[in-house]
Formats: sequence, C-alpha cells, structure tokens
Amino acid sequence: EDKVVQSPLSLVVHEGDTVTLNCSYEVTNFRSLLWYKQEKKAPTFLFMLTSSGIEKKSGRLSSILDKKELFSILNITATQTGDSAVYLCAVNQDSNSGYALNFGKGTSLLVTP
Amino acid sequence: GAVVSQHPSRVICKSGTSVKIECRSLDFQATTMFWYRQFPKQSLMLMATSNEGSKATYEQGVEKDKFLINHASLTLSTLTVTSAHPEDSSFYICSARQGGYGYTFGSGTRLTVV
Repeated sequence: EDKVVQSPLSLVVHEGDTVTLNCSYEVTNFRSLLWYKQEKKAPTFLFMLTSSGIEKKSGRLSSILDKKELFSILNITATQTGDSAVYLCAVNQDSNSGYALNFGKGTSLLVTP
Repeated sequence: GAVVSQHPSRVICKSGTSVKIECRSLDFQATTMFWYRQFPKQSLMLMATSNEGSKATYEQGVEKDKFLINHASLTLSTLTVTSAHPEDSSFYICSARQGGYGYTFGSGTRLTVV
C-alpha cells in the first residue's frame, strides 16, 4: 500500500530556532514530492521536488529530496511566529487516480514568541 | 498565477438536505480536478478524481451515489453531497491540475450538517 509518513506530527519551538521536518514515502510510479503550508484554509504551495540532491530554497525555507532513501526534508531557519502552521508533504504518482496527490498526515508547527 | 475559485467557503445545512460545492478554474483549463476531504487534525484524503466529459473515479470507500461529481466543462467541477448527515461534516477542498506537475487548490468549503 502506498504511504507517505511525516515526522514529527507536532513540534513547538521558540522564535529564531531552526526546524527540520521529515517526509518519507513508499509509492509506486513516483513523479514528484511537494510541500505545502496549511494555515486555516487551503494548502499553499511551497516546493516541488523531482530530482535527488538538488536543494530548493525560498527565503528561510529550503527542501531537498533523496530518491534513493525515499525521503525529503523541509528546513525552516530563524523561525517566526508566522511560520506556525501545518506542513503537508504530498507525493504525486502515476496511478489510476490520474496523478492525484497522496498526502501525509502533516506536521503541526507552533512557533512561540 | 493559476487560480481556483471554490464556493461556498462555509455552509451549514440540515440533515437530509443536499449541498453543492463548486470549483472553478479562473485562468486555465483544468481537464482534471481532484476532490479531497479533511477532518480536524487529519490530512487531506482524496475522494475522487474528476475528468472533464467523463465519469469521476472514486477512491475506495467513497460512495459515488452520495458524493456526486460533475465536470461538465474545462473550468468547472461540482461536488454535491446528497442527503447530508452530521458525519459528512468536514472540510472539502478541490484541486486542479494544470498540466505538467503543477497543482492549484481551491480555498476549501467547511460543511457543517446539523
């Protein structure tokens, strides 16, 4: 059975800390891995990773994919209270569902002042 | 960038009634749309894949007669929750695939059945 596992499920840090969120996957016909940030409504796109070892960076956020070990990490440096959210990892695969995204349970991050 | 408009954003309905949720791609054609539901503190679970001009593909355990999906045009997909019950209360989100690897989400609909 295909699965996407995120860890930790929840995390509380102080402003300024650096956090690393993990996502491991076991899926058939892998195409890409995506990271999303979800606050109160729909997820907002962060990164899409298709190739191993190439870091993607956007401001204080960065992410990398390891297709050999089947995992990805999302790093957030110098965290701010506005980073508090649920971070979702999703894997896109060729399937009967026509490239639907298979989501992990998410990591709930709380950044305290 | 690509925008998917979803409405209503929030709806409260009585048990036994039906509710229609619309998802519209505003500046691109979406041949495929996905419908997800999300329970509190849970992740997004795929309900069905909607293909323009053909029948939707439902995930295992999702009742197709209860969750009716129509994708009659390249810019509009609808999800109708028929004979809604309190256990159908959830957050429903659509997502459109733009081709290649890109996905855009609607803003979600919070359904409460009383």
